[in-house]
Amino acid sequence: DGGITQSPKYLFRKEGQNVTLSCEQNLNHDAMYWYRQDPGQGLRLIYYSQIVNDFQKGDIAEGYSVSREKKESFPLTVTSAQKNPTAFYLCASSERNQPQHFGDGTRLSIL
Amino acid sequence: QKEVEQNSGPLSVPEGAIASLNCTYSDRGSQSFFWYRQYSGKSPELIMFIYSNGDKEDGRFTAQLNKASQYVSLLIRDSQPSDSATYLCAVIGNFGNEKLTFGTGTRLTIIP
Repeated sequence: DGGITQSPKYLFRKEGQNVTLSCEQNLNHDAMYWYRQDPGQGLRLIYYSQIVNDFQKGDIAEGYSVSREKKESFPLTVTSAQKNPTAFYLCASSERNQPQHFGDGTRLSIL
Repeated sequence: QKEVEQNSGPLSVPEGAIASLNCTYSDRGSQSFFWYRQYSGKSPELIMFIYSNGDKEDGRFTAQLNKASQYVSLLIRDSQPSDSATYLCAVIGNFGNEKLTFGTGTRLTIIP
């Protein structure tokens, strides 16, 4: 089936630890995005990439890093510099000028 | 002023009635407008998108866009209990970079 796969579904981070969230798509979309959603809030853009080997910061990039080495993959690393990482993380992809579609999300919590 | 504003609700509508959800945006040059439905604990699901002034209908859903008033709405006819969810309005501004800006969402409850 075509779609966007995020893993893991749940993730726990220890103090001072970096963790990486996976996002894979087989829709052949050029653009991929990472959002963060806090309870009762809308989505805020962390990073986005419109082409392989290129990405831009979104509105809340501090404490996060990404890579885009392959068209189908856009992993997000939550670094120890992100002091409040507990949130629902959503990955999306789209073709140019087309609506974005989302994966099922990863819930990150602090141990 | 927030870039995309929605009434957070909750909005309660009787089953079978019309639910009306509203969204205003601040960037007058915005080009693309989207409505997503998000059930509790789930990821957003695209319901409608609209690019031109006027109405766009898809089944029980109608999106309405008024660029002069910087206003976009979603009407849900014959509301069903399964429509109970949070509805997110999202806008792509006039920046050419495909960045979506989301409102905080309106929580809709359909009362049987």
